[in-house]
Amino acid sequence: DAGVIQSPRHEVTEMGQEVTLRCKPISGHDYLFWYRQTMMRGLELLIYFNNNVPIDDSGMPEDRFSAKMPNASFSTLKIQPSEPRDSAVYFCASSRGTPLSTDTQYFGPGTRLTVL
Amino acid sequence: TQLLEQSPQFLSIQEGENLTVYCNSSSVFSSLQWYRQEPGEGPVLLVTVVTGGEVKKLKRLTFQFGDARKDSSLHITAAQPGDTGLYLCAGVYNQGGKLIFGQGTELSVKP
Repeated sequence: DAGVIQSPRHEVTEMGQEVTLRCKPISGHDYLFWYRQTMMRGLELLIYFNNNVPIDDSGMPEDRFSAKMPNASFSTLKIQPSEPRDSAVYFCASSRGTPLSTDTQYFGPGTRLTVL
Repeated sequence: TQLLEQSPQFLSIQEGENLTVYCNSSSVFSSLQWYRQEPGEGPVLLVTVVTGGEVKKLKRLTFQFGDARKDSSLHITAAQPGDTGLYLCAGVYNQGGKLIFGQGTELSVKP
């Protein structure tokens, strides 16, 4: 199994530009999660999907952030326009069930975003 | 706000020493997980504890879940340089069913 795949691994952009992060979950997993990790705030859940439907987006910082899951094998996290404070490592994770079911979440390698 | 406090934040020890990392909350968890993260990679699940008072062992790592399910600890015996990494606890609360992560403990084991 290839695991969760994220692209790009590194992204450097200038303030005001649009950034799109991509994720391919593990086949057969019904849940997909987007997290952001910074030194100051640690690992925070941004949004998660169940069967391609967004369930909880309360962690999305503001309207500049949007996430989609057009099918079971692909999701995107978009930031438009990007700002320097968005610089972080963004992780995608997938699992068969919810955390309440104690199913394991498998994390991708992350995308390190730097906004200049 | 459900806050998960992890301590210590940083730990630098010599090979062969023992250490304990703590994870505490004022709220009750339905379950708690411990992850290890290496530089440039995503967190990897080590263990899930569900029952109050539960103890799980993974080689030299011992995980305990408090009786009241509000706290947990990770104990490493005879640490090795290969144990170096970021250790994260993550709790699941019945309300919301999401993973809430602690700030992490950065462990460095020197040979």
